[in-house]
Amino acid sequence: GENVEQHPSTLSVQEGDSAVIKCTYSDSASNYFPWYKQELGKGPQLIIDIRSNVGEKKDQRIAVTLNKTAKHFSLHITETQPEDSAVYFCAATYKAAGNKLTFGGGTRVLVKP
Amino acid sequence: DVKVTQSSRYLVKRTGEKVFLECVQDMDHENMFWYRQDPGLGLRLIYFSYDVKMKEKGDIPEGYSVSREKKERFSLILESASTNQTSMYLCASSLLDEQYFGPGTRLTVT
Repeated sequence: GENVEQHPSTLSVQEGDSAVIKCTYSDSASNYFPWYKQELGKGPQLIIDIRSNVGEKKDQRIAVTLNKTAKHFSLHITETQPEDSAVYFCAATYKAAGNKLTFGGGTRVLVKP
Repeated sequence: DVKVTQSSRYLVKRTGEKVFLECVQDMDHENMFWYRQDPGLGLRLIYFSYDVKMKEKGDIPEGYSVSREKKERFSLILESASTNQTSMYLCASSLLDEQYFGPGTRLTVT
């Protein structure tokens, strides 16, 4: 089955700086890679996703890049703000798995004002 | 907006008790999932369901069972709770790729 590794487990950045979280996956058949953000006391919420036919995707201050050859993908947050403080999870799946996601271990991001 | 609700935010049970965790979604989603969340381990899939009365094992089904009698409701059952089942339990539903999560139930087994 799929295995997803996520690094770092914690990340502390100064407000305004960039944050980068990296994930690697094991199954070359995986073709869908979402990122979820979990705020305190809430369930995870999808913030951005990328499919294997795309190398990069942006949405305002967040972007995701995918390197299929190396089997890794990354989340980039620019101009971080205190409200970006949360736990972020990457995940991977392939269509044959029927939307069954395999999640990474999570990254706790703290943005210091 | 999609809403996924879970029956309890916090639950304390004793070892050996039978525990029911309920999840309800209001968007007519076909897919529903139960995860447990532990620090450093991310979210691990316990069971999922693609349709009423249908269930599939996830990665860590041991010690758990599920029930889906109605499309909007997916129940997780701990037949005989043990201390190693102390965890945060998250329910999710989806129509296509995006999963919508409930707020979670923090279960403590003493």
